[in-house]
Amino acid sequence: GNSVTQMEGPVTLSEEAFLTINCTYTATGYPSLFWYVQYPGEGLQLLLKATKADDKGSNKGFEATYRKETTSFHLEKGSVQVSDSAVYFCALSDETSYDKVIFGPGTSLSVIP
Amino acid sequence: DVKVTQSSRYLVKRTGEKVFLECVQDMDHENMFWYRQDPGLGLRLIYFSYDVKMKEKGDIPEGYSVSREKKERFSLILESASTNQTSMYLCASSLGVGTDLTYGYTFGSGTRLTVV
Repeated sequence: GNSVTQMEGPVTLSEEAFLTINCTYTATGYPSLFWYVQYPGEGLQLLLKATKADDKGSNKGFEATYRKETTSFHLEKGSVQVSDSAVYFCALSDETSYDKVIFGPGTSLSVIP
Repeated sequence: DVKVTQSSRYLVKRTGEKVFLECVQDMDHENMFWYRQDPGLGLRLIYFSYDVKMKEKGDIPEGYSVSREKKERFSLILESASTNQTSMYLCASSLGVGTDLTYGYTFGSGTRLTVV
């Protein structure tokens, strides 16, 4: 079945550091890929998405490129801020999951001044 | 903007009580979902619905039921609350079967339920 694997957290970075959160997936179809972010005490928000191979999703300085050959969708940001502290979820959906989005376990990021 | 509204942000209930968690969306979405989120366990799907009066069990339906009498409203019911149901509950909606799978979900802000 479909699944998503993320790097283990928590991740702690200093402000202005470079961020990478690794994500790999297993899917039988041709999935769309997502990154969701959850700020403390809130629900999840869609951060970015990519719908086909080699697409790059971007938003708020974050980027992720859909790599079909490595089945990956790593999240990157060049310079993190304290306000980026949150939990980040990699996710996928395709026609075999019948409209259900499959989530990874989440990676907690703390950015310190 | 699509909005998914959960009726309570924080809720404290007693063991054995019947608890209703309400979720309303305003964009005519077909699909609605209930998840619970616990530290170290990620998001776990409780129930979902593809249409009015339809419901499907997710991965952890035991101890829960749902109701979808109107398209915009999806209620999660804890028949007899127990302390192991203390959790963050998240409602989500999406467009519909056979439509844009690239859309993903829109989530509500969550309800943090404590059962004492």
